[in-house]
Amino acid sequence: DAGVIQSPRHEVTEMGQEVTLRCKPISGHDYLFWYRQTMMRGLELLIYFNNNVPIDDSGMPEDRFSAKMPNASFSTLKIQPSEPRDSAVYFCASSRLGTGGPAGELFFGEGSRLTVL
Amino acid sequence: AQKITQTQPGMFVQEKEAVTLDCTYDTSDPSYGLFWYKQPSSGEMIFLIYQGSYDQQNATEGRYSLNFQKARKSANLVISASQLGDSAMYFCAMRDNAGNNRKLIWGLGTSLAVNP
Repeated sequence: DAGVIQSPRHEVTEMGQEVTLRCKPISGHDYLFWYRQTMMRGLELLIYFNNNVPIDDSGMPEDRFSAKMPNASFSTLKIQPSEPRDSAVYFCASSRLGTGGPAGELFFGEGSRLTVL
Repeated sequence: AQKITQTQPGMFVQEKEAVTLDCTYDTSDPSYGLFWYKQPSSGEMIFLIYQGSYDQQNATEGRYSLNFQKARKSANLVISASQLGDSAMYFCAMRDNAGNNRKLIWGLGTSLAVNP
């Protein structure tokens, strides 16, 4: 089975440019998460969706960040305009609500490494 | 507020020996889950093991086991018979299991190096 697929794997851009990160969750998973990882702050949850609906976006840093999930198989995280402090690895993860066991461990994509110059 | 603390920024272990990675947590919720993830140098996050707060026994998954001490609020990961491929960052995380909450609180991680 295909795992969570993220693109691009690497992105280098200049300050002020728009950045769009993409994610395809595992088929059948009804939760999708966007995380940001930096050395200083570790893993931060930005936003998560359930059945394509945003549930908690309290981690979105500011209005420059937006996320959408138009359907069950696709999500985007957009940064506009980008700033050097946005440089990080952005992970997408998906899970499904289950019964018994871990009931929703996260399956992560390989991450998108963003560098804003 | 919920919090995860991993006090060991870095650990070393000799190949084939066991190692314990510490994790303490703080929560006032009676129902919660504890997770451990591995992040090798390639970057992907890999789920290792889960412990529910009401589970009667410590979780085990192959060479991984979780030393769950509820009264002390600790959930240490034990890796037995370490292998070179175990060298990675290890993250402890916690989730309040009330309702349909799916938000994880993460520790800052422990870097494990396995020496040949």
